[in-house]
Amino acid sequence: GQNIDQPTEMTATEGAIVQINCTYQTSGFNGLFWYQQHAGEAPTFLSYNVLDGLEEKGRFSSFLSRSKGYSYLLLKELQMKDSASYLCAVKDSNYQLIWGAGTKLIIKP
Amino acid sequence: GAVVSQHPSWVICKSGTSVKIECRSLDFQATTMFWYRQFPKQSLMLMATSNEGSKATYEQGVEKDKFLINHASLTLSTLTVTSAHPEDSSFYICSASLTGGSYEQYFGPGTRLTVT
Repeated sequence: GQNIDQPTEMTATEGAIVQINCTYQTSGFNGLFWYQQHAGEAPTFLSYNVLDGLEEKGRFSSFLSRSKGYSYLLLKELQMKDSASYLCAVKDSNYQLIWGAGTKLIIKP
Repeated sequence: GAVVSQHPSWVICKSGTSVKIECRSLDFQATTMFWYRQFPKQSLMLMATSNEGSKATYEQGVEKDKFLINHASLTLSTLTVTSAHPEDSSFYICSASLTGGSYEQYFGPGTRLTVT
């Protein structure tokens, strides 16, 4: 079967750095997405990785290793507004998005 | 970036009635639109994928006669929850994609449905 694993919840301190991991097992691979979702709102796009390596976008970076079936989202200089759920999703060989359950990130002052 | 709207943003209806939710891509033509359902503290659950001018493809376990999807144009898809019951109360989110391939999905703001 197809599976996306990410931690259920993480806690970090304002101003610090946090890394949210995602491992996947899917039938084929056509890219990995990270989305941010605040409570009661729809997801918003953060990043897209299709090749191995690190993609940096401001305070957020996303890393992919296709051979390991692994990705992480790195958030730097954490702000209170970063408190949200972070969803990892992989497009399989049929270009269907397979979603992880999301990681709830709690930022403390 | 691409903008997707949904209407209504929230709706309360009585059990047994039907509710229609609209999803519009405002500044691009969406070849493919997706409908998701999300229960509290759970991940997104894909309900169906619709391509303009053709019948929607429903995920396993989703009743196509209960959740009617119409994708009549490249900018509009509708989801009708027929004969709604309290267990249908959920957060319904649509998304649109420029193509069905490697492009990201742009999400609408979601519709919170409460069936009493």
